[in-house]
Amino acid sequence: EAGVTQFPSHSVIEKGQTVTLRCDPISGHDNLYWYRRVMGKEIKFLLHFVKESKQDESGMPNNRFLAERTGGTYSTLKVQPAELEDSGVYFCASSRPGEVSTEAFFGQGTRLTVV
Amino acid sequence: QKEVEQNSGPLSVPEGAIASLNCTYSDRGSQSFFWYRQYSGKSPELIMFIYSNGDKEDGRFTAQLNKASQYVSLLIRDSQPSDSATYLCAVKLSGGSYIPTFGRGTSLIVHP
Repeated sequence: EAGVTQFPSHSVIEKGQTVTLRCDPISGHDNLYWYRRVMGKEIKFLLHFVKESKQDESGMPNNRFLAERTGGTYSTLKVQPAELEDSGVYFCASSRPGEVSTEAFFGQGTRLTVV
Repeated sequence: QKEVEQNSGPLSVPEGAIASLNCTYSDRGSQSFFWYRQYSGKSPELIMFIYSNGDKEDGRFTAQLNKASQYVSLLIRDSQPSDSATYLCAVKLSGGSYIPTFGRGTSLIVHP
């Protein structure tokens, strides 16, 4: 069984540019989560999809962040325009239907650096 | 006060010793507690979860939960260099939230 995959693994962009991160969850996992870890800080929840619906987006920092999950499969997280404080590691995780996050499996993360 | 607190470490222990990792949380109504291990540059992986007061053992790992004192700990017996990693405590807070809140993690170094 393939795990959660994220692309790209690293991204370096200039302030003001746009970046799109992608997450492919484990097949059959309806629940998909985005998290972010800023250097030296804890992993922070951003949002949660159940299939294609946003179940909880209370962690999204501002309207420069847009997450989508068309068709309930892979998800994208777009940052537009990127700011310096957006730098960090963005993790995606997924879990089976009904098992919200007890057995959430994480991807390896995308390290975003905004310069 | 942070919702989930961990000492960032590093915690350094000799091979074969018991490593004790601690986590405190502020929400007294929290119900579920998780320990994740994250190797450098890798994804966090769940190693233990605990719901009830007391101890839960799995191999060399023991999770201890004390809801009255609002702390949860992870003991690693017979520590190995391969246990060197960052250990993340996560808590499902009360109030209907089902998304775990993470602590900053404790870096563990097991030296030969």
